[in-house]
Amino acid sequence: NAGVMQNPRHLVRRRGQEARLRCSPMKGHSHVYWYRQLPEEGLKFMVYLQKENIIDESGMPKERFSAEFPKEGPSILRIQQVVRGDSAAYFCASSPQDVNGYTFGSGTRLTVV
Amino acid sequence: EDQVTQSPEALRLQEGESSSLNCSYTVSGLRGLFWYRQDPGKGPEFLFTLYSAGEEKEKERLKATLTKKESFLHITAPKPEDSATYLCAVQGRGGSNYKLTFGKGTLLTVNP
Repeated sequence: NAGVMQNPRHLVRRRGQEARLRCSPMKGHSHVYWYRQLPEEGLKFMVYLQKENIIDESGMPKERFSAEFPKEGPSILRIQQVVRGDSAAYFCASSPQDVNGYTFGSGTRLTVV
Repeated sequence: EDQVTQSPEALRLQEGESSSLNCSYTVSGLRGLFWYRQDPGKGPEFLFTLYSAGEEKEKERLKATLTKKESFLHITAPKPEDSATYLCAVQGRGGSNYKLTFGKGTLLTVNP
């Protein structure tokens, strides 16, 4: 039973490019959460999605960031026109329903050069 | 707003030297307090969930306890493989009860 799968593990983008981070939740999980971990900071909530719905995107910057969880396929976190401050580790987590706690993936480490 | 503060930021122990990590929290109605372990380059790995004051949970050399204001992660006779960053997080009962609020973690190093 595979865990939460994130790819790519590492992503390097030049300033102004787009970054696409993918997350496949655990089998049977319909709730997906994205968190960001900046250097020397704790994990911060970004967005909560269910299939085809954004439930809460209050932790996501208003501009350049978007997320989706389509009916088929992985959840995607998209960052347009990346800047150096976007460099961070982005973690996806999933749960089968609105349960206490969830399972994290190994993360995507984004470096903007 | 929920808040979590972990101390110390870093802790060095000799193998076999027991100690405790602290997690102080404020939350509007606790739904759950979570401990995770994070190794370099990896995602957080779930350790424990505690739900109410007085609750304790154990796993191998680790024991987590909970009061109304803080949680402790006790490490008994640690081994080098226990070296990792330990993260504490809370989940409240408010409108956004799916969110985890994390502390910055305690980096534990166990020397052989």
